[in-house]
Amino acid sequence: AQKVTQTQTSISVVEKTTVTMDCVYETRDSSYFLFWYKQTASGEIVFLIRQDSYKKENATVGHYSLNFQKPKSSIGLIITATQIEDSAVYFCAMREGGTGGYKVVFGSGTRLLVSP
Amino acid sequence: AQTIHQWPVAEIKAVGSPLSLGCTIKGKSSPNLYWYWQATGGTLQQLFYSITVGQVESVVQLNLSASRPKDDQFILSTEKLLLSHSGFYLCAWSQSSNERLFFGHGTKLSVL
Repeated sequence: AQKVTQTQTSISVVEKTTVTMDCVYETRDSSYFLFWYKQTASGEIVFLIRQDSYKKENATVGHYSLNFQKPKSSIGLIITATQIEDSAVYFCAMREGGTGGYKVVFGSGTRLLVSP
Repeated sequence: AQTIHQWPVAEIKAVGSPLSLGCTIKGKSSPNLYWYWQATGGTLQQLFYSITVGQVESVVQLNLSASRPKDDQFILSTEKLLLSHSGFYLCAWSQSSNERLFFGHGTKLSVL
């Protein structure tokens, strides 16, 4: 069965610095899709970035980028030049290929606190 | 543009009472629909998904049921609430089985 693990419960950084959040996944499928979402204090869940397993290049969107290490089953999220409003809980998620993709598994989340 | 609307925003219910939560997606034909539950400070646990009208698949058993009576509507319900049902319920949709999820704003449920 697929599994997603986020070991960092919380991270505190000073704004304008770079932060990396870890995520390790387990799957038997050769094709899978990895996502990062953030949940704001209001509960709203926002999609940030995705990485498809067959793509070698790390995805980048704005000040979010991924460190995809397929041999280690790892998909780290990197936020550069952090801002106060980046404070949120960040979830890693995985979908397997084909009909397995209807089950979307989330990690336990990492709380990020960005301070002035 | 597609929109997703969940109702109600919040509910306070007694143990043993029935529950019905709803979700409507506008602007998207035949979306894949999902229900998630989140305990306070917890992860997102998928409950159900639906690929088409009238068909719902259960992912985890929590004494809840779901139905999809219309293409754009997803309902989560139970006849008897438990204390353990408290939490945050989120509806989501996606275009296909490998695309990102779009979440609603959620319903906060308190069972007393």
